[in-house]
Amino acid sequence: NAGVTQTPKFRILKIGQSMTLQCTQDMNHNYMYWYRQDPGMGLKLIYYSVGAGITDKGEVPNGYNVSRSTTEDFPLRLELAAPSQTSVYFCASSYFKGGRVNTEAFFGQGTRLTVV
Amino acid sequence: GDSVTQMEGPVTLSEEAFLTINCTYTATGYPSLFWYVQYPGEGLQLLLKATKADDKGSNKGFEATYRKETTSFHLEKGSVQVSDSAVYFCAPGDNDMRFGAGTRLTVKP
Repeated sequence: NAGVTQTPKFRILKIGQSMTLQCTQDMNHNYMYWYRQDPGMGLKLIYYSVGAGITDKGEVPNGYNVSRSTTEDFPLRLELAAPSQTSVYFCASSYFKGGRVNTEAFFGQGTRLTVV
Repeated sequence: GDSVTQMEGPVTLSEEAFLTINCTYTATGYPSLFWYVQYPGEGLQLLLKATKADDKGSNKGFEATYRKETTSFHLEKGSVQVSDSAVYFCAPGDNDMRFGAGTRLTVKP
């Protein structure tokens, strides 16, 4: 029972470098999400996807890109890392049944990113 | 999209005290509502949920009732323990699932 798997768990980047945070789920969920959580703060939605090939911006999308080529995978790309992107990143997935009924979200363990 | 407003805290209680964390929602219709808990160094996990108005969710001694007349989903526990120390998040189950600010609870022995 893997659930939602994020890699890597930790990463240090230099300013201007790029990286991809990987997220995969094995529950056949249609919805997937990326959040960032700054120290002592709540979660901010970066991007979300309602199915393969469909993505949309959340609250704080600037500086990030996503793609969803398969149901299972939802990578998050940072193109030019900046110190302001130092945060913990969480990926999540859920199953939207239609109407207003959504299953709970399942979260990965997070990726702690530091940009220096 | 739907949104929630959550009591921010932090909240500090003594063991066996009563807990209430307020959450109100703004939504078109009646989405599913959730409470999640985040223990130190971990991701969020579901604490309880309600899928329709007037439902009551419960788990581990925590309860929340989905009240459409007050658009609220307040979290309650009758007697908190030190192990309940964590951050609690309220969220609507909408397409773009946006969380409340989170409430940090510290329970002292």
